[in-house]
Amino acid sequence: EAAVTQSPRNKVTVTGGNVTLSCRQTNSHNYMYWYRQDTGHGLRLIHYSYGAGNLQIGDVPDGYKATRTTQEDFFLLLELASPSQTSLYFCASSDAGDRASYEQYFGPGTRLTVL
Amino acid sequence: QQKVQQSPESLIVPEGAMTSLNCTFSDSASQYFAWYRQHSGKAPKALMSIFSNGEKEEGRFTIHLNKASLHFSLHIRDSQPSDSALYLCAVESSGSWQLIFGSGTQLTVMP
Repeated sequence: EAAVTQSPRNKVTVTGGNVTLSCRQTNSHNYMYWYRQDTGHGLRLIHYSYGAGNLQIGDVPDGYKATRTTQEDFFLLLELASPSQTSLYFCASSDAGDRASYEQYFGPGTRLTVL
Repeated sequence: QQKVQQSPESLIVPEGAMTSLNCTFSDSASQYFAWYRQHSGKAPKALMSIFSNGEKEEGRFTIHLNKASLHFSLHIRDSQPSDSALYLCAVESSGSWQLIFGSGTQLTVMP
């Protein structure tokens, strides 16, 4: 089964602080995604990437940057954190190639609190 | 862009009951329709998927897709307390490798 790990698992920061969330997948998947999950909103896509150096904008990108440094590693950056970014963040990966590969594999999540 | 809506928001059923969860979408050109299950404090995990109109059964779970009515559903036969979770429907955003998720149905199965 696909393995996706995230760090840190919990993070508390203050308004205006800098935060980097990390994600690593070890299954050679080409697509990686960052979501935020808030009660009543399901999973909302922030950014995604189809390979090292590539970045695509998702549905809720404001206030977030992302960078894909390698096939395995995808980072989410909050450079001026705000309380509205308090949320549960999930990273996911998928192996695009045919329609059977739409399935996404999720990491365990990072709970971020911005005070 | 694809719009996805789920109903109901929450559902409480007794053990052994049949449970039905619903999802509507706006773009019939999508090719992948799936249900993900998320137990409390855990990551979402794919439960079942379907690509074309009709039904697909796996054990106690059945997924039904009707593209003409822009609707798909998940039915759980003989619901168990271990089925208690947040259920998220997901639809491929046509022409991309994005999934659009619904806001979820919180299912509680009472022993």
